[in-house]
Amino acid sequence: DIQMTQSPSSLSASLGDRVTITCRASQDIGNYLTWFQQRPGKSPRLMIYGATNLGDGVPSRFSGSRSGSDYSLTISSLESEDTAIYYCLQCDKYPPYTFGAGTKLELK
Amino acid sequence: QVQLKESGPGLVQPSQTLSLTCTVSGFSLTSYNVHWVRQPTGKGLEWMGVIWTGGSTDYNSALKSRLSISRDTSKSQVFLKMNSLQTEDKATYYCARGEFDYWGQGVMVTVSS
Repeated sequence: DIQMTQSPSSLSASLGDRVTITCRASQDIGNYLTWFQQRPGKSPRLMIYGATNLGDGVPSRFSGSRSGSDYSLTISSLESEDTAIYYCLQCDKYPPYTFGAGTKLELK
Repeated sequence: QVQLKESGPGLVQPSQTLSLTCTVSGFSLTSYNVHWVRQPTGKGLEWMGVIWTGGSTDYNSALKSRLSISRDTSKSQVFLKMNSLQTEDKATYYCARGEFDYWGQGVMVTVSS
């Protein structure tokens, strides 16, 4: 199974900060990487698909990138509504699809 | 518009079988796959399995011996059945459309006698 190593596990940042979350894949997954946002008590929301493509209705301050086996989700200027847990998901080699362990993003 | 809604019992006794239904609208099960994903309280997401547009299925090997996913396309419903439930199966269970672009609200399942 492909392992997705997500870092950091938690992150505290200030309003307006640039924030980056990373997932590293244990095998080549091409661009088959999706990012989700999950607010407390809510279902996951697709933010980025295909490693770099913005989901429908997702603010443009969110972006995704890839460098080799490292995939990053960046928030260019943190807003209060961005506090959530973020997960990556590899959608290339399945079964199983595999999620990262999650990154809890809080306001400082 | 696209919607998915999970339903089923919130409480299951240990060793019994969990039966959940995902009722979809706004799309056809013959055009989109449907996944099941679960999340223990305060923990991460675990992919459980998928039913493909053609009706075939794939499962997480960790659950494969206990899990069955099926569907009724005429009713736009996808079913999850998992037997031999244990306390560690306590979680919120979600169904999600093909590329994980739409999710249901989730149903919380407790395993207790």
